Amino acid sequence: GIQVEQSPPDLILQEGANSTLRCNFSDSVNNLQWFHQNPWGQLINLFYIPSGTKQNGRLSATTVATERYSLLYISSSQTTDSGVYFCAVGNQGAQKLVFGQGTRLTINP
Amino acid sequence: EAGVAQSPRYKIIEKRQSVAFWCNPISGHATLYWYQQILGQGPKLLIQFQNNGVVDDSQLPKDRFSAERLKGVDSTLKIQPAKLEDSAVYLCASSLGVWQYFGPGTRLTVT
Repeated sequence: GIQVEQSPPDLILQEGANSTLRCNFSDSVNNLQWFHQNPWGQLINLFYIPSGTKQNGRLSATTVATERYSLLYISSSQTTDSGVYFCAVGNQGAQKLVFGQGTRLTINP
Repeated sequence: EAGVAQSPRYKIIEKRQSVAFWCNPISGHATLYWYQQILGQGPKLLIQFQNNGVVDDSQLPKDRFSAERLKGVDSTLKIQPAKLEDSAVYLCASSLGVWQYFGPGTRLTVT
């Protein structure tokens, strides 16, 4: 099956810093989503981005499908950005998602 | 719009006991998913329903896990008998299109 690798596994930053999270995947995909899992365990959708670039406030994402990677950018980090960021991909018609291991982001005040 | 509801939020059982989790998806969402999230890992899909039919259960340990969605709305996931390695958060999600909306999860501890 498809493999998903996220880097870095952990990232500790000061408030106001910018960060880039990477997701590599092993096969072509027709579904790629970024999620944020907050410290209380709730998973929240950030982007649906199987290709191209999208922006939502301080967050943006880019997927280069031909090179099998996606990047999540967080600018001007806030403490509420802390948590684990997951990339999930799918390449089957039934919307099945395979999740990566996540990047744990800690934003210190 | 109400989100995905799950209960209980926490459960502690001894190994070899049985346990059941309940999920009520967002109204109108035809697709329902159960995921297992072991500490420090990403969620792993256990089973996917489309209305009340199973679409994918390839990673469900069928010797001990079962799930049903009888009326195409809410769903129950059961483990019988539980093993120590079943300790995890069990997440339910639902979708209408490509976006999956997750519930708060049930944290299971098997002692």
